Amino acid sequence: AQRVTQPEKLLSVFKGAPVELKCNYSYSGSPELFWYVQYSRQRLQLLLRHISRESIKGFTADLNKGETSFHLKKPFAQEEDSAMYYCALSPGGATNKLIFGTGTLLAVQP
Amino acid sequence: DAGVTQSPTHLIKTRGQHVTLRCSPISGHKSVSWYQQVLGQGPQFIFQYYEKEERGRGNFPDRFSARQFPNYSSELNVNALLLGDSALYLCASSLGTGFGYTFGSGTRLTVV
Repeated sequence: AQRVTQPEKLLSVFKGAPVELKCNYSYSGSPELFWYVQYSRQRLQLLLRHISRESIKGFTADLNKGETSFHLKKPFAQEEDSAMYYCALSPGGATNKLIFGTGTLLAVQP
Repeated sequence: DAGVTQSPTHLIKTRGQHVTLRCSPISGHKSVSWYQQVLGQGPQFIFQYYEKEERGRGNFPDRFSARQFPNYSSELNVNALLLGDSALYLCASSLGTGFGYTFGSGTRLTVV
């Protein structure tokens, strides 16, 4: 079964603390992994794609195929990082669908 | 570029009625997908269309249907509405496989 698991509904950290949002996936092939973010009153937007191996707004994510994980990390959290974060998997092929996790709400306290 | 636009933004319908939601993709994007997001959950895939052809369908009943027009805009139709259909319906467009999706703001459907 294709599934994305985000075990934490809420992650609360203080400004300047490191952040790690966990994402585990279940898929037998080679999926594409994404992180999407939704700031308050804004639309869902793409944050990272694993194939681009880029850092956006200080966030990075490494695909670990052995552990089937794609955790999102940032060394020093900022208050403006507070948002809902969704990990998503695309199986690829003819159907370019996304399978989302349930999301983690990141709250960065001042 | 206006991004992905969806209409209407909010809608209230009665059980048993029919609803049509509309989506205009980013210019140049030929792939459009529809997602349902229930409160507290991540978006769930409903349909994907590419070049006016259905490329994928999620685990939704036949009451849900969609189509894509020659200008790549799309409609999602839901018949015989149920209370459980109340959700945020998201449209997303993409250049194609391997590219991330750009999402619209969604249509908030409330079924009473």
